[in-house]
Amino acid sequence: GIQVEQSPPDLILQEGANSTLRCNFSDSVNNLQWFHQNPWGQLINLFYIPSGTKQNGRLSATTVATERYSLLYISSSQTTDSGVYFCAVERGGNNRLAFGKGNQVVVIP
Amino acid sequence: DAMVIQNPRYQVTQFGKPVTLSCSQTLNHNVMYWYQQKSSQAPKLLFHYYDKDFNNEADTPDNFQSRRPNTSFCFLDIRSPGLGDAAMYLCATSRGTGGDTQYFGPGTRLTVL
Repeated sequence: GIQVEQSPPDLILQEGANSTLRCNFSDSVNNLQWFHQNPWGQLINLFYIPSGTKQNGRLSATTVATERYSLLYISSSQTTDSGVYFCAVERGGNNRLAFGKGNQVVVIP
Repeated sequence: DAMVIQNPRYQVTQFGKPVTLSCSQTLNHNVMYWYQQKSSQAPKLLFHYYDKDFNNEADTPDNFQSRRPNTSFCFLDIRSPGLGDAAMYLCATSRGTGGDTQYFGPGTRLTVL
């Protein structure tokens, strides 16, 4: 099956700092989503981004499908950005998402 | 607001005592999914329904069953919970056209005593 690798696994940020999370995947995909899992466990959709660039407030994402990676940018981080960020991909339209192991982000005041 | 709802949010059961978790959706999506997420791990797909068509993952234990009586509701039945089944159970939906967004509910955290 498709492999999804996220880096870095753990990240500690000072409030106000910027950061970049990376997701590499081993094959072509027709779906890529970034999620934020909050402390209560809910997975919040951040971006649906199989290719291209999107921005939503302080967050933006870029997927370079031909090179099989995606980046999630967090600018001016806030303590509420803490949590685990997951990248998940789908290949072949089979409605199955393969998740990476996540990026654990802690933002300290 | 259209959403994915899971009940209960927290469930405690005893070893071997059957338990049912519930998921409902107001998105009118064709596909409903059940994931299991253990501590510090990624969500793992157990099975999904495309309409009434059930799709089981190869490594999902027989102890886990599911029912989808209509478009809006989907249930996860754990017939004989073991200590290793303690986890967060996440329900998700998608339109099912392939390559489309999955929307997740808040999850049910299961404790097995």
